[in-house]
Amino acid sequence: DTAVSQTPKYLVTQMGNDKSIKCEQNLGHDTMYWYKQDSKKFLKIMFSYNNKELIINETVPNRFSPKSPDKAHLNLHINSLELGDSAVYFCASSQDPPTGGFTGANVLTFGAGSRLTVL
Amino acid sequence: SQELEQSPQSLIVQEGKNLTINCTSSKTLYGLYWYKQKYGEGLIFLMMLQKGGEEKSHEKITAKLDEKKQQSSLHITASQPSHAGIYLCGADLNSGNTPLVFGKGTRLSVIA
Repeated sequence: DTAVSQTPKYLVTQMGNDKSIKCEQNLGHDTMYWYKQDSKKFLKIMFSYNNKELIINETVPNRFSPKSPDKAHLNLHINSLELGDSAVYFCASSQDPPTGGFTGANVLTFGAGSRLTVL
Repeated sequence: SQELEQSPQSLIVQEGKNLTINCTSSKTLYGLYWYKQKYGEGLIFLMMLQKGGEEKSHEKITAKLDEKKQQSSLHITASQPSHAGIYLCGADLNSGNTPLVFGKGTRLSVIA
């Protein structure tokens, strides 16, 4: 039983289209994340939700809109796709929101990734 | 500029050899996490280090966090093909509510 599952695994689309990636976790975690991994393998945080509430919103274009219908799901919708959006998008979850310090709250469980290719 | 630097970027070793991957931060590390990524898959959590001087081992992989808490090393003893993949370090760089920051990863290939 996959702990963090993302769909679709691969997505090929044209510039200007709108697409969504879905994520579900069955770990009972309170916090979920979207990370983007670019062609150089650089993994960068985009968003984080804790119990359906947005807690982290990095500098991401408004074309990206996350939605968390409940704490087990975090979807990512992307409008007007651009070539630069091509990347692997990873969903992740953690038991608690990041608090820094020495709590170890940042032990993340990742999904397998969704590779988005914009043509 | 990159807050976490990993070296080397890539590494090819012969099966059975030892190797070390380094992760250096420009800031104090409040927590350091090592993950492994296989091609086409997500990241798998390996170890977490929190205290300066701390060392942890899992099978043939050992990770250390230096006393000043600005550098960590990952050492693999007697490498095997199953160790191949991309190793990423992730860090808590702030005592507040911030998510993990990741290095760019080190791609390890193990050849027979």
